[in-house]
Amino acid sequence: AQSVTQLDSQVPVFEEAPVELRCNYSSSVSVYLFWYVQYPNQGLQLLLKYLSGSTLVKGINGFEAEFNKSQTSFHLRKPSVHISDTAEYFCAVRGSARQLTFGSGTQLTVLP
Amino acid sequence: EAGVTQFPSHSVIEKGQTVTLRCDPISGHDNLYWYRRVMGKEIKFLLHFVKESKQDESGMPNNRFLAERTGGTYSTLKVQPAELEDSGVYFCASSLTGLRNTEAFFGQGTRLTVV
Repeated sequence: AQSVTQLDSQVPVFEEAPVELRCNYSSSVSVYLFWYVQYPNQGLQLLLKYLSGSTLVKGINGFEAEFNKSQTSFHLRKPSVHISDTAEYFCAVRGSARQLTFGSGTQLTVLP
Repeated sequence: EAGVTQFPSHSVIEKGQTVTLRCDPISGHDNLYWYRRVMGKEIKFLLHFVKESKQDESGMPNNRFLAERTGGTYSTLKVQPAELEDSGVYFCASSLTGLRNTEAFFGQGTRLTVV
C-alpha cells in the first residue's frame, strides 16, 4: 500500500515569485509519481510524471519536480508564478496496482 | 478528440433518494476508474474496470454503491439510497491498456450534494 502527504494545504505567493509545493510518499514497492492540477471548474490535468531515469522532471506551464528516493519526496517547483497558476495541485503515486493514490491537495493562490 | 465526459456536472438530492452518475471515457480506453473526493480531503480510488469487467473494487465504500460498464464503453455509478456522507465530487478517469505508466485522463467531475 502507498500513502501520499502534501505538507501544505494552502500556499499563497506573490506573482513572479518562486514556489515549491511539497509532496512526500511512502511505499513498500517502486512507484511512479505524478502531479495533477485542477483549475476552477475543470477536471484534473496531468502536469508531469516521473517514471524512471532522470530525477528532474519537466512538465507543462514551466513546472518541474525532483524525485528524491532517499527522502521519498517529489516536490513541485516553478521559478516564477503567474496569476493563471492559481489552482489546486495534487501529488499522486501509482504502485503495483493501476490506480492512483492521491495526497490531500495544495491550493496555490497567486497574489497580484 | 473528446476527453472524458461526466454527467451531470452537479446533482442535489435528498437523503434516501437514488442518483446515477455517468462517465464516457475516451474512445479506445479499456481502463476506466472512479474516484471520489469528500469534503476537501484526498481523492480516493473507488474502482477500476478493464473493458466491462471489474478489475478492482476495493475502494467501494459499501453496497449502496453499484458501478457498471455496459459493453465496455460508458460507465454508471449508482448510489441507492444516498446518505449525507456520500456528498462529494466523483471523478472518472480512463487510460489505455499497456504498461502501468500510461497516463490517466480525468473528467471534470460530478459534484454530488445529499441534503
